[in-house]
Amino acid sequence: GAVVSQHPSRVICKSGTSVKIECRSLDFQATTMFWYRQFPKKSLMLMATSNEGSKATYEQGVEKDKFLINHASLTLSTLTVTSAHPEDSSFYICSALDSGTGISYNEQFFGPGTRLTVL
Amino acid sequence: GQNIDQPTEMTATEGAIVQINCTYQTSGFNGLFWYQQHAGEAPTFLSYNVLDGLEEKGRFSSFLSRSKGYSYLLLKELQMKDSASYLCAAMDSNYQLIWGAGTKLIIKP
Repeated sequence: GAVVSQHPSRVICKSGTSVKIECRSLDFQATTMFWYRQFPKKSLMLMATSNEGSKATYEQGVEKDKFLINHASLTLSTLTVTSAHPEDSSFYICSALDSGTGISYNEQFFGPGTRLTVL
Repeated sequence: GQNIDQPTEMTATEGAIVQINCTYQTSGFNGLFWYQQHAGEAPTFLSYNVLDGLEEKGRFSSFLSRSKGYSYLLLKELQMKDSASYLCAAMDSNYQLIWGAGTKLIIKP
């Protein structure tokens, strides 16, 4: 099956610093990637949809200047949490749509997630 | 609005069968997904239904009724490793997934 990697898997940073999380589709091309945030014992919350070569589409309530998304190639999307604060601590998960499967089967392949802790 | 409902928690016995229900309301519909998520890990794909009926895949089966906005995930011959959260997600007309809050399944010996 299709594999999506995320890096880093775990990061601890100081308040006020920026953190970049990478999401890569390893064996397929993904024109569309999604970034989710998950709080403990809660479901996934879609933050934004990342489209290769264009600006990301952010969900209501998500600050685009704080969560910078760049989808520079068909296999890589990055999420940068700028000026991180303790309330940004969460589990961030990316997923990718396999462009090759076509529109009839829109399975999202998930990365393993990144646990961010802001001190 | 868009909404997914599924039970918060269920308990079952090892070797038994359990059915996890999910009802959905979305703007348009492009399929219903079930994912398994163990604590601290990302979701893993279990099944996809877009047509009415039952899809069987080993010990897991998934059912969909589009007219009723209803799906269920059926797990047979439960094993301890099946203890996890099971997420129901419906894909809307924009091909975005609308997620349920997940059902925590507890398996007892």
